[in-house]
Amino acid sequence: GAVVSQHPSRVICKSGTSVKIECRSLDFQATTMFWYRQFPKQSLMLMATSNEGSKATYEQGVEKDKFLINHASLTLSTLTVTSAHPEDSSFYICSAMTGSRTEAFFGQGTRLTVV
Amino acid sequence: DAKTTQPPSMDCAEGRAANLPCNHSTISGNEYVYWYRQIHSQGPQYIIHGLKNNETNEMASLIITEDRKSSTLILPHATLRDTAVYYCINERDDKIIFGKGTRLHILP
Repeated sequence: GAVVSQHPSRVICKSGTSVKIECRSLDFQATTMFWYRQFPKQSLMLMATSNEGSKATYEQGVEKDKFLINHASLTLSTLTVTSAHPEDSSFYICSAMTGSRTEAFFGQGTRLTVV
Repeated sequence: DAKTTQPPSMDCAEGRAANLPCNHSTISGNEYVYWYRQIHSQGPQYIIHGLKNNETNEMASLIITEDRKSSTLILPHATLRDTAVYYCINERDDKIIFGKGTRLHILP
C-alpha cells in the first residue's frame, strides 16, 4: 500500500514553545490530508481536514490559531502546535487520501510530550 | 460522531477465525464501509473496504448484509499479531470519523 511518513515520531518540548509535525505522502499525491489527536485508551479524534492549496477546515472545538495546518504541496502537510501546554501532550496522527479517495493511509504517529 | 457501532472487546483463540461485527444502520447508498486496525502506539492500518459486494484480500474478508446496515470483518486464521483495536468506518462528508472500535484479544 501507499506510504505516509510522519516526523518526528517523538518530541518533548517545554511549555510555551511551538512544535511542528510533518506528514509526507511518499509515493502518491495527497489531495486531502487529515490530522487526528488520540489520548490514552481513547479513539482517534479528527482535528482538521486540509486540502492542498486551501485553508484547513477545523472540527468544532479545535482552535485554529493554536493548531496551525499548512498543506502547501500535494505531498506535504504540517501541523504546528503553538504555545504548547502540558494538556496538549498527546499522540498526533496524520492521514492522506488520493484524488480517487479509495482509502486513507496513515502515518505512524507523533507522540508529543509538553513539560 | 461516528455512525458505526461495534462491541467494545472480543476474544478469539489463536488459529481460529475472528469475526468482528459492525452496525452502520444509517449508511447512505454511496458510502463505503472501511475497516482499519490500530496496534498499540502505531498509526491505523488499512484492512479492507467495500460498498455492496463481499470483498476479500490477503488480510481479511468483508461480508456486507444485503440491506447494508451491518457488516462483518473476518480474519480467517487469527494470530497473536492480530491483537489490535479494529475500527469500522463510514466516510461522513468526505471525512473519516473513528468510533470506539473493538479491542480484539487473541488468546494463545
